[in-house]
Amino acid sequence: NAGVMQNPRHLVRRRGQEARLRCSPMKGHSHVYWYRQLPEEGLKFMVYLQKENIIDESGMPKERFSAEFPKEGPSILRIQQVVRGDSAAYFCASSPYQNSPLHFGNGTRLTVT
Amino acid sequence: KNEVEQSPQNLTAQEGEFITINCSYSVGISALHWLQQHPGGGIVSLFMLSSGKKKHGRLIATINIQEKHSSLHITASHPRDSAVYICAVDLGGSQGNLIFGKGTKLSVKP
Repeated sequence: NAGVMQNPRHLVRRRGQEARLRCSPMKGHSHVYWYRQLPEEGLKFMVYLQKENIIDESGMPKERFSAEFPKEGPSILRIQQVVRGDSAAYFCASSPYQNSPLHFGNGTRLTVT
Repeated sequence: KNEVEQSPQNLTAQEGEFITINCSYSVGISALHWLQQHPGGGIVSLFMLSSGKKKHGRLIATINIQEKHSSLHITASHPRDSAVYICAVDLGGSQGNLIFGKGTKLSVKP
């Protein structure tokens, strides 16, 4: 049973480009969470999704960031018109149901040049 | 003031030593998580607890809800335990909306 898969592992974008980060949860997990870890800072919650629904996006920046978890396929975190301040590690986690431990992916390290 | 405070920030130990990492929080919580972040960056969930004590191998996690404090203990530490240990609290809102501590960087020397 593969763990949470994130790709790409590393992503380099120029300012103004779009970044698309993918997360495939563990098999049987229908709850997906995205977190951001800025350099030298702690992790911060961004968004919680279930299949086809955004449950809590209180940690998402209001502009340029969006997330989806379609019926088929991975969850996508999309950042439009990236800026240098978006450079960070983005982690995805999944769980099978509420109030269960989280399983994390290895993260995507986004660098904006 | 951070809602989740960890101490110490950095910890160096000799192989075999007993290690304690502390986490204090200032709000009511429904659960507390301990995570391990490897030097390569990957994150592993170690414990999720809401009361009492849990043990897994050489790792023990305790929580005192009244005192708003949790500890992570490592017995017979080993260089492979070198990592950043992160405490995170669940305020009982939506699942996964955690508040994270800044982490404790542990280095175990052979």
